[in-house]
Amino acid sequence: QSALTQPASVSGSPGQSITISCTGTSSDIGSYNFVSWYQQFPGKAPALMIYEGSKRPSGVSNRFSGSKSGNTASLTISGLQAEDEADYYCCSYGGIINTWVFGGGTKLTVL
Amino acid sequence: QMPLQESGPGLVKPSETLSLTCTVSGGSISSSTYYWGWIRQPPGKGLEWIGSIFYSGKTYFNPSLKSRVTISVDTAKNLFSLNLRSVTAADTAFYYCARLTYSSKDIDYWGQGTLVTVSS
Repeated sequence: QSALTQPASVSGSPGQSITISCTGTSSDIGSYNFVSWYQQFPGKAPALMIYEGSKRPSGVSNRFSGSKSGNTASLTISGLQAEDEADYYCCSYGGIINTWVFGGGTKLTVL
Repeated sequence: QMPLQESGPGLVKPSETLSLTCTVSGGSISSSTYYWGWIRQPPGKGLEWIGSIFYSGKTYFNPSLKSRVTISVDTAKNLFSLNLRSVTAADTAFYYCARLTYSSKDIDYWGQGTLVTVSS
């Protein structure tokens, strides 16, 4: 079970849009619509931002959106705000053997 | 809300067993709607799923940790526990307990996390 692949860092200016990719395999992202995304501020526990690839929990801004194509999932943040500066992690369910795997995390910097 | 609270020693000696408990309040752990799990994060590094348990006691583990991990559930006390054997410095991390949704396989509630340091 290998970690999902995310870019180490992304950056953008306020008001812009950024996309964070998350690449897995045909055993996880490619086979299941169970990709979730988490936002983590320093010293805090992660918080769920996207589940089942593209669904937003209640209370999460509609500036956050998710998608999937093949073995790669993506998180897009539109209308970037300073408060979005955080670490973002993707996670996929691994199916047959009931496992979960995380990406290495992406640090978002708002310039 | 479904508060989750980790408890246990913050310091464990190498080769010993790391033991943590997660107390669930505000709802029953005996629900077929959720798994209960442990995730860890070495300081300054990424998240790693350790394992999960269903209320029935069925467990699922990260293959890389499976030989050293036990997760159990106590439905009477509404808590679940983690044991990680033969620890080394590489096991130093923030340990989070969490609730995983059965239907959508996401982690919708996290404990605040507890730092466990492995050192003599």
